[in-house]
Amino acid sequence: DGGITQSPKYLFRKEGQNVTLSCEQNLNHDAMYWYRQDPGQGLRLIYYSQIVNDFQKGDIAEGYSVSREKKESFPLTVTSAQKNPTAFYLCASSIYASGNQPQHFGDGTRLSIL
Amino acid sequence: SQQGEEDPQALSIQEGENATMNCSYKTSINNLQWYRQNSGRGLVHLILIRSNEREKHSGRLRVTLDTSKKSSSLLITASRAADTASYFCATDPYTGANSKLTFGKGITLSVRP
Repeated sequence: DGGITQSPKYLFRKEGQNVTLSCEQNLNHDAMYWYRQDPGQGLRLIYYSQIVNDFQKGDIAEGYSVSREKKESFPLTVTSAQKNPTAFYLCASSIYASGNQPQHFGDGTRLSIL
Repeated sequence: SQQGEEDPQALSIQEGENATMNCSYKTSINNLQWYRQNSGRGLVHLILIRSNEREKHSGRLRVTLDTSKKSSSLLITASRAADTASYFCATDPYTGANSKLTFGKGITLSVRP
């Protein structure tokens, strides 16, 4: 079955530590996205990638970094510069980067501070 | 910035009743999408309606779009307990190429058996 796989499901970060969230898709989609969801809030865009070796900042990129070395993979690193990282992180993909395309989501990674 | 705002924030209905959820937005859009999110899971795309469309159906779902009022509604008919979830509208603002979706805060729907 085609889809998006996020891992791990739960992640704990210590102070000063960088952590990396994995996102893999086998849908052959060009575009991939990372969103942050806080309780009772909508999704806020962190980074997106239109194509391999390209990515752009979203609305809340500070304290985060990404890479897109392969079409199917778009890992997100939450750096120690992100002072409030506790949230639910969602990865998504679409055939191409446009608001007229449906996005397919993974089941998220819940990040907490130790 | 979040453009779409859903209303109400929470809705509780009995199984078999219809559920109507609304979304309002501020600027012109190319299209609007509705998504569902079950607790602790990712979002699932439900339906996309383009700015030149007024109504779309998909199974028990009916979506309307009124661009003059900058609003959309999602109607779920004959609701089931399995429809319990959060529902989000997402707008594609008319800003030119490579536009991105902007999600609202969501509506929590509870369907009582």
